[in-house]
Amino acid sequence: DQQVKQNSPSLSVQEGRISILNCDYTNSMFDYFLWYKKYPAEGPTFLISISSIKDKNEDGRFTVFLNKSAKHLSLHIVPSQPGDSAVYFCAASDPGTYKYIFGTGTRLKVLA
Amino acid sequence: DTGVSQNPRHKITKRGQNVTFRCDPISEHNRLYWYRQTLGQGPEFLTYFQNEAQLEKSRLLSDRFSAERPKGSFSTLEIQRTEQGDSAMYLCASTVAGANVLTFGAGSRLTVL
Repeated sequence: DQQVKQNSPSLSVQEGRISILNCDYTNSMFDYFLWYKKYPAEGPTFLISISSIKDKNEDGRFTVFLNKSAKHLSLHIVPSQPGDSAVYFCAASDPGTYKYIFGTGTRLKVLA
Repeated sequence: DTGVSQNPRHKITKRGQNVTFRCDPISEHNRLYWYRQTLGQGPEFLTYFQNEAQLEKSRLLSDRFSAERPKGSFSTLEIQRTEQGDSAMYLCASTVAGANVLTFGAGSRLTVL
């Protein structure tokens, strides 16, 4: 039972353009959503998060949008840079169990 | 504050051997999590501790897996009688109760031959 889904395994974007990574979830009780970035042979690094009571959070080039009715969130990176090339995971926090559930990841490649 | 530290970073072992991984969380973090990640998958929850108490354990964790956090500081994850299917990256993360962000270590990669 995959409660957090990232349906695009990979994405290629030209440098300077916008990257949009998507994530869907099934549990309406999730109260917090996070995006992590992961380079090979390293642990995931926290990028940005959003509370379930908000619909947008912005931090520099990174913006996360949450659509609760659609159970969908997206991460926008503008402008995309080659150093953004990595695997991106979305995660959701379950307040009932304190577990964080991760998606399967999207590999972003930013082309110079 | 040196972040979350995991040791060893890499472990190669033969099937049937026991292995132990250690995680040192950020000092003031009272919640500690273990995850497992295999190729092409996201991190899968294994277990978590609040202080020294193990509060949740995944069904993924067979009886060959055991985790401890004896003094509410560092934690160990032991795998007994390893199998080739145990080959994965084992990730440790920590946070403070009430905070929402998990901070991960660099992981311990296990290869079972």
